[in-house]
Amino acid sequence: EIELTQSPDTLSLSPGERATLSCRASRTVKNIYLSWYQQKPGQAPRLLIYGASNRASGIPDRISGGGSGTDFTLSINRLEPEDSAVYYCQQYGSSPTFGGGTKVEIK
Amino acid sequence: QVQLQESGPGLVKPSQTLSLTCTVSGGSITSDNDYWTWIRQHPGKGLEWIGFISYTGSTYYNPSLKSRVTISADTSKNQFSLKLDSVTAADTAVYYCVRDSRTSISGVVTPNGFDPWGLGTLVTVSS
Repeated sequence: EIELTQSPDTLSLSPGERATLSCRASRTVKNIYLSWYQQKPGQAPRLLIYGASNRASGIPDRISGGGSGTDFTLSINRLEPEDSAVYYCQQYGSSPTFGGGTKVEIK
Repeated sequence: QVQLQESGPGLVKPSQTLSLTCTVSGGSITSDNDYWTWIRQHPGKGLEWIGFISYTGSTYYNPSLKSRVTISADTSKNQFSLKLDSVTAADTAVYYCVRDSRTSISGVVTPNGFDPWGLGTLVTVSS
């Protein structure tokens, strides 16, 4: 089973700033198998990125994904109050797993 | 627009079987390359993939839960279901049903992410 480690645990930034979230895999993950999700309190997760860098339908272009191998990133430019949430990375592999999440707080 | 809705008891006694159903609207559970999935989230914790039933009816489960899990489908009702046997307090969680859609191009299958998700249903295991 591939383990995903996300960092930092919490990111506290001001509106307009850029957030960079990290997801590190215990083994190489093919780009096509890496996704990112946003979860707000009391809501189900929402797909943001699939295939490491493809935005899901309706996701603004200030949100982007990148990386390869064992290191992947999610970037959120021009932070808005609505971006306050927990973000999870996920890999497929033989058995899908999720990272532990990064909480983004907007000051 | 595909939508999913979970239903089932919110309270299950220890050692009993947890049973949930997901009703799919706006699309068919027999659509090519769709995998109908259950994911759970323990209170205040991260996400755990439970397993799926594919558009062909094949199933695949998380190895850590495999001995207790059964996912089945009723195509006439466009529903799929989860059964988890011998539950304990550790199975208390919000359970989500989710579509895992994939694209097949020249035999290469590419995941498109887990989307959409149902609203989720909290199942508490307690006597």
